[in-house]
Amino acid sequence: AQSVAQPEDQVNVAEGNPLTVKCTYSVSGNPYLFWYVQYPNRGLQFLLKYITGDNLVKGSYGFEAEFNKSQTSFHLKKPSALVSDSALYFCAVRDNTGFQKLVFGTGTRLLVSP
Amino acid sequence: GAVVSQHPSRVICKSGTSVKIECRSLDFQATTMFWYRQFPKKSLMLMATSNEGSKATYEQGVEKDKFLINHASLTLSTLTVTSAHPEDSSFYICSARSLTSGSGEQYFGPGTRLTVT
Repeated sequence: AQSVAQPEDQVNVAEGNPLTVKCTYSVSGNPYLFWYVQYPNRGLQFLLKYITGDNLVKGSYGFEAEFNKSQTSFHLKKPSALVSDSALYFCAVRDNTGFQKLVFGTGTRLLVSP
Repeated sequence: GAVVSQHPSRVICKSGTSVKIECRSLDFQATTMFWYRQFPKKSLMLMATSNEGSKATYEQGVEKDKFLINHASLTLSTLTVTSAHPEDSSFYICSARSLTSGSGEQYFGPGTRLTVT
């Protein structure tokens, strides 16, 4: 079965510093990986996805993610954090069977301090 | 593009009543819609998958008679919480997958906060 793990409940970073939010995955077959962000009392917003191709994927709001097959990781990164990036981040992998539902990680809260 | 709306955004109801939540894809057709429930500071729990014109597929442990799902058209799915109880209070989020999305990407609605008193 497909699964993702987000080992950090919370990541703290100062504004202007680079940030990394970790995600590892387990899939059978080719991985389809996604990152979503959730602001308080809102739905999820799509940030980026990896399907195939370049291991470095660029997404919305200056975020990028690096796909590493050997480490089965898909860490989310941003070179310079903003206070407004503070939110809940979810990594997800597509189930390659049935309805191809998304399997979400437990989420990582990012807190960017001024 | 790819906007999903939910209505209402917030609802308070009395125990024992039923509540309907609508999920609409505004600018695309969605063959498949998903309903999630999110507890405070927790991840999303998939409740069910609905396909237009067919019965919803419920995840293990989700009562289909309590959470009625109807996917009447390619742009509308509804979730009805029947005989609501305080433990049904939660944040309910829907998502939709486009007909043309080969990657399985889902677009999420803004969520509905249900409070049962």
